[in-house]
Amino acid sequence: DTGVSQDPRHKITKRGQNVTFRCDPISEHNRLYWYRQTLGQGPEFLTYFQNEAQLEKSRLLSDRFSAERPKGSFSTLEIQRTEQGDSAMYLCASSFGQHSYNEQFFGPGTRLTVL
Amino acid sequence: SQELEQSPQSLIVQEGKNLTINCTSSKTLYGLYWYKQKYGEGLIFLMMLQKGGEEKSHEKITAKLDEKKQQSSLHITASQPSHAGIYLCGADPVGPGGQNFVFGPGTRLSVLP
Repeated sequence: DTGVSQDPRHKITKRGQNVTFRCDPISEHNRLYWYRQTLGQGPEFLTYFQNEAQLEKSRLLSDRFSAERPKGSFSTLEIQRTEQGDSAMYLCASSFGQHSYNEQFFGPGTRLTVL
Repeated sequence: SQELEQSPQSLIVQEGKNLTINCTSSKTLYGLYWYKQKYGEGLIFLMMLQKGGEEKSHEKITAKLDEKKQQSSLHITASQPSHAGIYLCGADPVGPGGQNFVFGPGTRLSVLP
């Protein structure tokens, strides 16, 4: 299967703990996006990479959030000192192209619950 | 910043009925995307519209972008239970340099058999 994959699918953690999520995009895609989605809302943009370069970060992305895409392939999203407000679905998407207007292929998401 | 509104917020229809979902942008749309999301899962791309007046169809789903490129509608003909889910419109950032893709809040569709 060559779709976008995310790991883990579910994560339950206690407040104050660090968590890390992984996203494996479609292999030939140079762009990778992270979104956060809370119940009843559309996905909110967090950050995106073109190859290994992180080109844009949302104001939503506090200092506790960090994302990497070290070799321009898979990406990780780390949340430090988790808070209950971080509970959400974290979606990863990838696309191919130089402009924003490209179809984004989404992974199944990682659902984070912070107790 | 660009914002997308969707109406209705939720919709319950009887199987076989037609329905329309609307997406309105606060700014001119450079590219408008429709996605479908099953509850608790990732998004599935439906179609993309770029030109004013453009209309695209896939199976029983038709989407149109108005001439002024600030509103799009998604129409489902003869709805089926498989059409149930959350329909999201998304937009390319406005103007050069902006990269933040924006989504609407979604329309939750239920189709009763």
